[in-house]
Amino acid sequence: GAVVSQHPSWVICKSGTSVKIECRSLDFQATTMFWYRQFPKQSLMLMATSNEGSKATYEQGVEKDKFLINHASLTLSTLTVTSAHPEDSSFYICSARSWDGEAFFGQGTRLTVV
Amino acid sequence: GNSVTQMEGPVTLSEEAFLTINCTYTATGYPSLFWYVQYPGEGLQLLLKATKADDKGSNKGFEATYRKETTSFHLEKGSVQVSDSAVYFCALTTEAGGTSYGKLTFGQGTILTVHP
Repeated sequence: GAVVSQHPSWVICKSGTSVKIECRSLDFQATTMFWYRQFPKQSLMLMATSNEGSKATYEQGVEKDKFLINHASLTLSTLTVTSAHPEDSSFYICSARSWDGEAFFGQGTRLTVV
Repeated sequence: GNSVTQMEGPVTLSEEAFLTINCTYTATGYPSLFWYVQYPGEGLQLLLKATKADDKGSNKGFEATYRKETTSFHLEKGSVQVSDSAVYFCALTTEAGGTSYGKLTFGQGTILTVHP
């Protein structure tokens, strides 16, 4: 299947700093990418839908000023966690939707805010 | 809204045992149903899917049947292997036409460990 690469795989940052996570579709173009968050022993929760060249659509309860999403090209979307705090520590996963509608997932990024 | 409920884990089995992981759902509209698998250190991979009632999805010896009457999509495998050890997620989408399945609602995941 298609490959989606997420970087970094894990990151530790200090409280108050910002962290950027990249999601790339390596062998296909993705007009739409999705960002999920997963808490320990819980399901993946959709945070936002990112469409190339337009503003992201955020799910209810997700702070768009806190989680900045940019989808500048058909192969790259970024999630920036701004002014991170310990409660933002989580596992973030992206997926990219191919032309036929199937979604392919990145391996996830473990964010720890200290 | 949409929701997916999976059986609690973790599940521990011996090799060649029969596997069932229960999944039930609630959905507004007519959902497409999926099982994803996540091997250690890797991203989620689509294992199988079913887009309409009574459809049976199958892959790698795993099967699941879309049961509209019981709103269920239980995952089964007749004989598990050590290499099946992973986290399994049940999911659904109600996006238009059911053909576009990027916006997914997931269950909480079930950890499966298979011992030799």
